[in-house]
Order: sequence, then structure tokens, then C-alpha cells
Amino acid sequence: ETGVTQTPRHLVMGMTNKKSLKCEQHLGHNAMYWYKQSAKKPLELMFVYSLEERVENNSVPSRFSPECPNSSHLFLHLHTLQPEDSALYLCASSQQRSGAANFGSGTRLTVV
Amino acid sequence: DAKTTQPTSMDCAEGRAANLPCNHSTISGNEYVYWYRQIHSQGPQYIIHGLKNNETNEMASLIITEDRKSSTLILPHATLRDTAVYYCIAFDTGTASKLTFGTGTRLQVTL
Repeated sequence: ETGVTQTPRHLVMGMTNKKSLKCEQHLGHNAMYWYKQSAKKPLELMFVYSLEERVENNSVPSRFSPECPNSSHLFLHLHTLQPEDSALYLCASSQQRSGAANFGSGTRLTVV
Repeated sequence: DAKTTQPTSMDCAEGRAANLPCNHSTISGNEYVYWYRQIHSQGPQYIIHGLKNNETNEMASLIITEDRKSSTLILPHATLRDTAVYYCIAFDTGTASKLTFGTGTRLQVTL
């Protein structure tokens, strides 16, 4: 148990669907992150929220839309994805300016 | 952030110490060395971090050379459950730099 909960654990979606990934932490952290991990590739940082404000957007396509309504919750809204977007999506949280992050178990996304 | 270099893979016999090296020759004075591991299909797990001094916790020990150009993560008594990919990351807490993961070292612990 890492203190970071991601739902769903697995998701299969068509290219025309709209879905959302959810991340929740009750560790009192004030920074949250989305990472993408494709097969055989290193983790790629997608978005960073610090004090509920987006501070990093690593050239992620607009079909991925993050939302951070409060310091405990983070969403990743997905629409019109491509098969190459199939990957493990990981959420993490930390205290601002700390390198010690807690990661969730991830959502395994398959786009068909 | 400083680039880190790690061997692609290593093997270790169960019960033995696993020593995982990391080279970070361009590390700046403000950058800490962080270690994470990722067990297959799970999220990365924070292990330990340090700046200059050696550090130890319940999971591992971190030895940083005096010139800070390299470090070694030591798992004193490796078990099969320690089989994972281990990542060494240079992170500047002052500038709140990103946790950037490389390809890490795949440690295989065998019977």
C-alpha cells in the first residue's frame, strides 16, 4: 500500500471513446504527477501539478487532458486516443520540491 | 539535471549483497542522488536518497563517493522479491526539478 490509489487498474477503450483515469492520495502531499510507461521504454513524465496548479506539460497531445480539482485528486481525461497510446499510466504524489514520491499501481490502458 | 549511467542488468544470488553502481559525474552540488525500484507491472518505489554522506534505512544502504561522481546502492541480503529494475536519479530539491527516470538496472536475484 503506497497511499496513492489509481482507478481503474485496467481499461480497454475504443479510439472514439472518452474515459477518465482517477488518482487519489491522502498523504498530505501538495504535488501530483502523471507518468506514461510504454512497453520497453522508460517512464515519461506527462504532467506535474504543484499546489493544484499545472507547472509542467511535457508536449503531451491534447487528447490527454489533466485535471486537479484539489490537492488529493488528479484525473487524466482521455479522448480519441490512438493504439500507440496503449501503456501503463502511473500517478505519483510528493511534497513540493521533494524527490521522494509515492506511486500508484497504475492503470493499464489498451486502445483498440 | 545531471545524467546518470547504470549497467543494463545484473545478477545476484539470494542471500548475497547486491551492489548496484551509478555514475553521475556531472552532478551539481545541489543535486541529491535518489534511488527507486520498479517491480514488474507495479509503480516505482522510493528506496533511499543522499547528498554527500552515506545513508542507511531498512531497505538499503547508499554509498556516495567523496567526489560525488558515483554512488552504490547496497541491498545487504538480496531476496527473490528484490528482483526489479533499479533507477538512480539526480534531483535538485532547490529548483524542484523533475524526477526523470532512465532505463535503470535490471537486477535478477536467483536461487
